[in-house]
Amino acid sequence: QQQVKQSPQSLIVQKGGISIINCAYENTAFDYFPWYQQFPGKGPALLIAIRPDVSEKKEGRFTISFNKSAKQFSLHIMDSQPGDSATYFCAASMGGSQGNLIFGKGTKLSVKP
Amino acid sequence: DTEVTQTPKHLVMGMTNKKSLKCEQHMGHRAMYWYKQKAKKPPELMFVYSYEKLSINESVPSRFSPECPNSSLLNLHLHALQPEDSALYLCASRLWVGKGTEAFFGQGTRLTVV
Repeated sequence: QQQVKQSPQSLIVQKGGISIINCAYENTAFDYFPWYQQFPGKGPALLIAIRPDVSEKKEGRFTISFNKSAKQFSLHIMDSQPGDSATYFCAASMGGSQGNLIFGKGTKLSVKP
Repeated sequence: DTEVTQTPKHLVMGMTNKKSLKCEQHMGHRAMYWYKQKAKKPPELMFVYSYEKLSINESVPSRFSPECPNSSLLNLHLHALQPEDSALYLCASRLWVGKGTEAFFGQGTRLTVV
């Protein structure tokens, strides 16, 4: 119930292409769904986040699509660049005394020039 | 400013040493977290502080001892660690533990236990 399942584990995309990473969850109490980008040796950086009352959110080249009925959400990176090569984590959290993030296992993205 | 500052960036310690990791934020956040991250794995929750009180301890061994001296500062005291404790230790903060608030991470401390 507390898991967030992320796929694929790794992804290779050509420069200019679209990168798509998917996540699924079971617990309907989750109310916040962020995506983090992490470069080797660095901390995760918040990329974009969505709440379940919204079906899509776009910030620059990054878009989250959210399907509440299917309990799925995805990250789309348009016009992928070599500088986007990193590990991406989806996460979910709920309010209350827990309030911590439940992470997916991560997707290693490589964008080829 | 969404900065969470962690010091030191790198730490090498022997199994008999005592050391401390430090985390600082000035965003007025009242929830602060310690995570441990092993290579090619997601961050794993260790401790949660809410309004300077420990609210979650995820069954972490007693050789890790957290401390929250004030609303801006979080420490992790280390003693008698094992080589398997080598990892990236991450601090994060959120406005509060309630609904839908953004969580920001520091750059981490790379800990090596020899």
